[in-house]
Amino acid sequence: AQKVTQAQTEISVVEKEDVTLDCVYETRDTTYYLFWYKQPPSGELVFLIRRNSFDEQNEISGRYSWNFQKSTSSFNFTITASQVVDSAVYFCALSEVGNEKLTFGTGTRLTIIP
Amino acid sequence: ETGVTQSPTHLIKTRGQQVTLRCSSQSGHNTVSWYQQALGQGPQFIFQYYREEENGRGNFPPRFSGLQFPNYSSELNVNALELDDSALYLCASSTDTGTLGYEQYFGPGTRLTVT
Repeated sequence: AQKVTQAQTEISVVEKEDVTLDCVYETRDTTYYLFWYKQPPSGELVFLIRRNSFDEQNEISGRYSWNFQKSTSSFNFTITASQVVDSAVYFCALSEVGNEKLTFGTGTRLTIIP
Repeated sequence: ETGVTQSPTHLIKTRGQQVTLRCSSQSGHNTVSWYQQALGQGPQFIFQYYREEENGRGNFPPRFSGLQFPNYSSELNVNALELDDSALYLCASSTDTGTLGYEQYFGPGTRLTVT
C-alpha cells in the first residue's frame, strides 16, 4: 500500500523567511510520481510540481525548490523569501502506476506572518 | 483557473437522503477522478472514470457511485447519506490514463454538509 506522511501539521514563519515542508512516502512500486499541491482558502487544489521516480535532480522554480531523495523516500519543498500569499495548506501526493490515483498526505498548513 | 467546473458549490442534505454532484472536465480531457476531503485531512480517492468506464476505485462503499458522459463530464452520486459524508468533494480531470504522471487539474470542489 502507498502512504504519504507530512509530519508537520502547522508551520508559521515571518514574511521573508525561508521554510521547508517535509514529505516522506512509502510505496512498493519501482516507478511512481510525486506531487506537491497548494490549497488556498478557496479550496481548489493548485498543481505545483510533478517529479518522476527516475529523476532525482533537484528543481528550482522561482522562489520554490524541491529536494527529492529516493534513498530516504523524501520529497521536501522549500519556499525561499516567503510571502503572505504563500499562506495555504500544502499537500504532498504520490501517484499509483496505471490509473493516476493520487495518495495524499494530511497536509501542512503554512501561515506567513506579515 | 483550471477549466474544471463543479456544481453546486455548497449543498446541505439530511441523513438518509441522496445527492448528485456534477463535474465538467477541462476541454480535451477524457479522465475524471473524484476525491473526498474531510475537514483537516488530505483528499481521499473515491474512483476514476476513463472514457465512460470506471477505472479504479478507492475504499468507499457501493453507495458511492458515478457516471461519465460522452462529453466526459461526470456525476458523483451518494445514496443513504451519513453524517461522515460531510466533506469537500473534488473532481479532477486529466488526459489519457495509463500514461504515468499526467497532472490532474482540480475543480473548486463541492462542499457537502449532512445534518
